[in-house]
Amino acid sequence: QSALTQPASVSGSPGQSVTISCTGTSGDIGTYNFVSWYQQLPGKVPKLVIFDVTNRPSGISNRFSGSKSGTTASLTISGLQGEDEADYFCSSYTRGGTLVFGGGTKLTVL
Amino acid sequence: QLHLQESGPGLLKPSETLSLTCSVSGDSISGPTYSWSWIRQPPGRGLEWIGNISDTGSPFYNPSLKSRITMSVDTMKSQFSLRLSSVTAADTAVYYCARQNSAWFDPWGQGTLVAVSS
Repeated sequence: QSALTQPASVSGSPGQSVTISCTGTSGDIGTYNFVSWYQQLPGKVPKLVIFDVTNRPSGISNRFSGSKSGTTASLTISGLQGEDEADYFCSSYTRGGTLVFGGGTKLTVL
Repeated sequence: QLHLQESGPGLLKPSETLSLTCSVSGDSISGPTYSWSWIRQPPGRGLEWIGNISDTGSPFYNPSLKSRITMSVDTMKSQFSLRLSSVTAADTAVYYCARQNSAWFDPWGQGTLVAVSS
């Protein structure tokens, strides 16, 4: 199983919106609505921010939203804040029944 | 609130077997809704799903690691475990345990760094 493809880095200014893409294949994102996103603050444990493509866990700001089109999933963070600066990882269920992660995207708030 | 905590040796020599245990508290480890996963993160790199195990002991492994992995669960102790044989420097990573619900992971343990060095 190959890792999902994410941009290495994205950046945005406070108040702006940024979108992080996560590209897979027909064997994972393209077939299953089982995409999740994790925020990892520096030196911290990954934290679930989106599950099943579009759903937010309790306690996660509505500034975080997820979507999917074809084999690409996206995480959008609106009203960017300094506390959003972190690494973001996507994950998807695969046809083989396994789970695969993206390589991660470093978000810098300018 | 569910809490997971990893434990095990932090330093191994090449060819040794990595053995980690995840202790679960705050809720039952038993039941059909969840499985229990191991995920690792080499220093400065991305995440890799190692595999999971159900409360009945049925495992599902990452094919890339399958030949070296054994997972087990002890519901009486509310623990599940990972064994990874024949470790090399490439297995140096922070190892996390996590509850898996369908295809997402929440919560995660705090992670434990395992270094492989001669």
